[in-house]
Amino acid sequence: AQSVTQPDIHITVSEGASLELRCNYSYGATPYLFWYVQSPGQGLQLLLKYFSGDTLVQGIKGFEAEFKRSQSSFNLRKPSVHWSDAAEYFCAVVGSFQGAQKLVFGQGTRLTINP
Amino acid sequence: EPEVTQTPSHQVTQMGQEVILRCVPISNHLYFYWYRQILGQKVEFLVSFYNNEISEKSEIFDDQFSVERPDGSNFTLKIRSTKLEDSAMYFCASGKNIQYFGAGTRLSVL
Repeated sequence: AQSVTQPDIHITVSEGASLELRCNYSYGATPYLFWYVQSPGQGLQLLLKYFSGDTLVQGIKGFEAEFKRSQSSFNLRKPSVHWSDAAEYFCAVVGSFQGAQKLVFGQGTRLTINP
Repeated sequence: EPEVTQTPSHQVTQMGQEVILRCVPISNHLYFYWYRQILGQKVEFLVSFYNNEISEKSEIFDDQFSVERPDGSNFTLKIRSTKLEDSAMYFCASGKNIQYFGAGTRLSVL
């Protein structure tokens, strides 16, 4: 069964600093990977996705993520964080796209931004 | 930009009562989902729905839960007899390759 691990429960960075949020997945074949962000009191907003092709994917709000098959990772990065990036970030995986598919989420990483 | 709409945003109910959580998926989507997030825990899949029937359900989705698409626009989750442990944020999503989420309904069972 698919699984996702986000090793960092909580990360604090200073505004303007770079950010990397870690995500490791477990799946036998090539997974379809997603990063979602949840701001306080809000739903889940899709930041970016990886289906195939270029392993470095660009998303909204200046985020990017890199798929590394050898490390079973899909880490999220941003070169310079803004105070508005404070939120909960979830990595998720879908096994395939045959019919309706469930997303399997990681535990989430809560990001705090210091001024 | 089309979005998934959920109502109510917060539902308070007494243990043992029935609740219905409502969702309006994005209009041209055919695949629908419910997820839940217990406070401080990960988002968990409950059920997927396509072509007017359940495609897959998790072990959480027992006989107390049901889903329905009563008309062309709404998608509902019913919990027949709520328990304290049903207290959670419930998210509706729609889409196939990419799932778009609503803002959620916070269910508080007292």
